[in-house]
Amino acid sequence: NAGVMQNPRHLVRRRGQEARLRCSPMKGHSHVYWYRQLPEEGLKFMVYLQKENIIDESGMPKERFSAEFPKEGPSILRIQQVVRGDSAAYFCASSPQGARVKWNEQFFGPGTRLTVL
Amino acid sequence: DQQVKQNSPSLSVQEGRISILNCDYTNSMFDYFLWYKKYPAEGPTFLISISSIKDKNEDGRFTVFLNKSAKHLSLHIVPSQPGDSAVYFCAASRPTDSWGKLQFGAGTQVVVTP
Repeated sequence: NAGVMQNPRHLVRRRGQEARLRCSPMKGHSHVYWYRQLPEEGLKFMVYLQKENIIDESGMPKERFSAEFPKEGPSILRIQQVVRGDSAAYFCASSPQGARVKWNEQFFGPGTRLTVL
Repeated sequence: DQQVKQNSPSLSVQEGRISILNCDYTNSMFDYFLWYKKYPAEGPTFLISISSIKDKNEDGRFTVFLNKSAKHLSLHIVPSQPGDSAVYFCAASRPTDSWGKLQFGAGTQVVVTP
């Protein structure tokens, strides 16, 4: 049973370009969460999605950032017109349910490191 | 607004000794606290949790202590092993949050020396 997969692992973009980060949850997991880790900081919650629904996007920047989790395929975090401040590690996590039970059933992916030149 | 704080960015400990990692929080609404371990180029992995109705939880070499009045928790690793060298994150959750909406501290880098 493969874990949470993220690709690409490293992504380099120039200012103004678009970045697309993909997350494939663990098999059987229908809840996906995106986090961003800026240098020297902890992970910060961005968005929580279920298939075809955004449940909580309270941590998403108001502009340029969007996320989706279609019926088929991976979850996508999209950053338009990237700026240097977007350089960070982006982690996704998945769980079989959204309720706060069995913390050991939720898993993080290895992250995508985005560098904006 | 950083509600979970880990004020020690790094900790060096000898193999076999005890590692003590500290975490402070400001929001009294948190009712679950978790510790995650992270190796380079990997995502965080869940280590141990504690409910706010308890003051101690133990799992093998790992014990978490919670002092609600001080809004402070600590993770003890006894004995420390070289494989424990990693970044440790403290995280907290509120009753109204889904699992994934955790608030993380900045992490403590632990280095276990032979």
